[in-house]
Amino acid sequence: QVQLVESGGGLVKPGGSLRLSCAASGFTFSDNYMNWIRQAPGKGLEWISYISSSGSTMYYADSVKGRFTISRDNAKNSLYLQMNSLRAEDTAVYYCAREGTTLVGGVIITTKALDYWGQGTLVTVSS
Amino acid sequence: QLVLTQSPSASASLGASVKLTCTLSSGHSTYAIAWHQQQPDKGPRYLMKLNSDGSHSKGDGIPDRFSGSSSGAERYLTISSLQSEDEADYYCQTWGTGIQVFGGGTKLTVL
Repeated sequence: QVQLVESGGGLVKPGGSLRLSCAASGFTFSDNYMNWIRQAPGKGLEWISYISSSGSTMYYADSVKGRFTISRDNAKNSLYLQMNSLRAEDTAVYYCAREGTTLVGGVIITTKALDYWGQGTLVTVSS
Repeated sequence: QLVLTQSPSASASLGASVKLTCTLSSGHSTYAIAWHQQQPDKGPRYLMKLNSDGSHSKGDGIPDRFSGSSSGAERYLTISSLQSEDEADYYCQTWGTGIQVFGGGTKLTVL
């Protein structure tokens, strides 16, 4: 079965860095676009980044552009989020999520719907 | 600008039905969306992808009690035969070039 397991969260001081990981299993990881989404305490979901299946294309929300970097290692079935220059407002639970796929004319394309989520990892930015 | 609007809260009685609404911003009425459920202290769970024509494809293991429909710029999630475990936050999600967008979420209370 599909599993996404995040790790790497913790307490970090403002201005510090942290690297999150998401270990994927139960599917062909290299077929799927992957996303990072966060949820501040008591708030809604905020998309922050996605990466294409090959890793060649990445997009970021304005709130993290220039500070966060998404990457993936398809050989290790892993997704990463390098977070630099962290601020108090980055405090949140961070989720990785998979975009679904469909076959069109023999080609695998993304459906853009986030069809599996991890359980999340908490990042707290505080002095 | 691509925006999804949801009512902050909804309530319905155990065993009844409820219809939650997600509204797409002007100029985006043909967009598909996805619905997600987040139970207290849990990660989100994908419910379904919902197209503008009302066709939808549900996630693995999602009960038949959950269904979707569309009208214009509005996308609906209907939950029938409400159970206590349906008490949760429900989020809609859509996408554009280089972006994913979430609605603010609807907190459903089962009375």
